[in-house]
Amino acid sequence: GAVVSQHPSRVICKSGTSVKIECRSLDFQATTMFWYRQFPKQSLMLMATSNEGSKATYEQGVEKDKFLINHASLTLSTLTVTSAHPEDSSFYICSARGTGTQPQHFGDGTRLSIL
Amino acid sequence: RKEVEQDPGPFNVPEGATVAFNCTYSNSASQSFFWYRQDCRKEPKLLMSVYSSGNEDGRFTAQLNRASQYISLLIRDSKLSDSATYLCVAYSGNTGKLIFGQGTTLQVKP
Repeated sequence: GAVVSQHPSRVICKSGTSVKIECRSLDFQATTMFWYRQFPKQSLMLMATSNEGSKATYEQGVEKDKFLINHASLTLSTLTVTSAHPEDSSFYICSARGTGTQPQHFGDGTRLSIL
Repeated sequence: RKEVEQDPGPFNVPEGATVAFNCTYSNSASQSFFWYRQDCRKEPKLLMSVYSSGNEDGRFTAQLNRASQYISLLIRDSKLSDSATYLCVAYSGNTGKLIFGQGTTLQVKP
């Protein structure tokens, strides 16, 4: 089946650091990619939707200047958490979808810990 | 009110038991529904889609009641490996978004 690779799987860094997370679709062209965040014992919350070649659409309450999303190609989207703080510590998961009504395929997730 | 609501549990059941999870959704425009399974610290994986006619996949049966905006998942003959969090998910074709419930945690004991 379709595979989505997310990297890195684990990040531990100091407060104030910017962290970039990559999401790649390995065997299909992802016209749309989604970024989710999941805090412990909570549901996945959609942060933003990105379509290749256009600006991402952010959900209400998500700061676009804090969470920079780039979807420059049909196989790669990146999420950069700028000047990360401890409250940004969470599980970040991307998903990718091809054209039409194809299902979303999830990456392995990135566990981000800010000290 | 959350768009997709689930009882977080945990449900602690012995091996071999039958267990049922329920889920309600508030957006009547939601078009498709799914159950996902999420293991601790892992990404969610699609377990099965949910249809109004009810559908079965081995020990798992899913049911959708659009009138009541209610979705269920029944697991028969529980195995230790069924221990996980089960996420109820609604999909809107208009937005292309998946809306996740909080998840219901199942712990199957020997």
